[in-house]
Amino acid sequence: ELKVEQNPLFLSMQEGKNYTIYCNYSTTSDRLYWYRQDPGKSLESLFVLLSNGAVKQEGRLMASLDTKARLSTLHITAAVHDLSATYFCAGSGAGSYQLTFGKGTKLSVIP
Amino acid sequence: DTGVSQDPRHKITKRGQNVTFRCDPISEHNRLYWYRQTLGQGPEFLTYFQNEAQLEKSRLLSDRFSAERPKGSFSTLEIQRTEQGDSAMYLCASSLEGLEAFFGQGTRLTVV
Repeated sequence: ELKVEQNPLFLSMQEGKNYTIYCNYSTTSDRLYWYRQDPGKSLESLFVLLSNGAVKQEGRLMASLDTKARLSTLHITAAVHDLSATYFCAGSGAGSYQLTFGKGTKLSVIP
Repeated sequence: DTGVSQDPRHKITKRGQNVTFRCDPISEHNRLYWYRQTLGQGPEFLTYFQNEAQLEKSRLLSDRFSAERPKGSFSTLEIQRTEQGDSAMYLCASSLEGLEAFFGQGTRLTVV
């Protein structure tokens, strides 16, 4: 059974700073997803990572996948207040269609 | 089609009552998922449909829960004899074969 762990669970950072959120998963995962959720809202898809070494970037966010280490990272560059949200990583186990989510990282960007 | 649509957005019900939620997926998506999310947690998988066939069910889905997707279009999730522990956000998502899932706005259920 796939397990997904994120850290940190809470992150308070100043605008302009860089930081990385880590996502470890326990068994082989076909693909790795990153989602953003604003308070009271649904989940917005950010990235889908399909293979070892995959790197995707959108604005100030960059996601990468290392399947050998079973690790994905979400790197935030020069944070701005608008990035404040909860970020989830999720994996799908081999042969399964369900997503297993981490507990999420609640990011607060402080001016 | 602007995305996955869920109805109602909020539902307050008394313990012991039955509730039904509806999900309309993105029209060309053949896969449909139901998840449950409680405060401070990530979504937990409940069940999955490919077209009209229910192919996966979580152990979380007790006998009181039933989901259908007649004709492979919209889906309903019914909870019978609701309990306070059923209070959560119920999220529906849809996807095309093998691609990322898009989530609806969710139905927030409060059981009093």
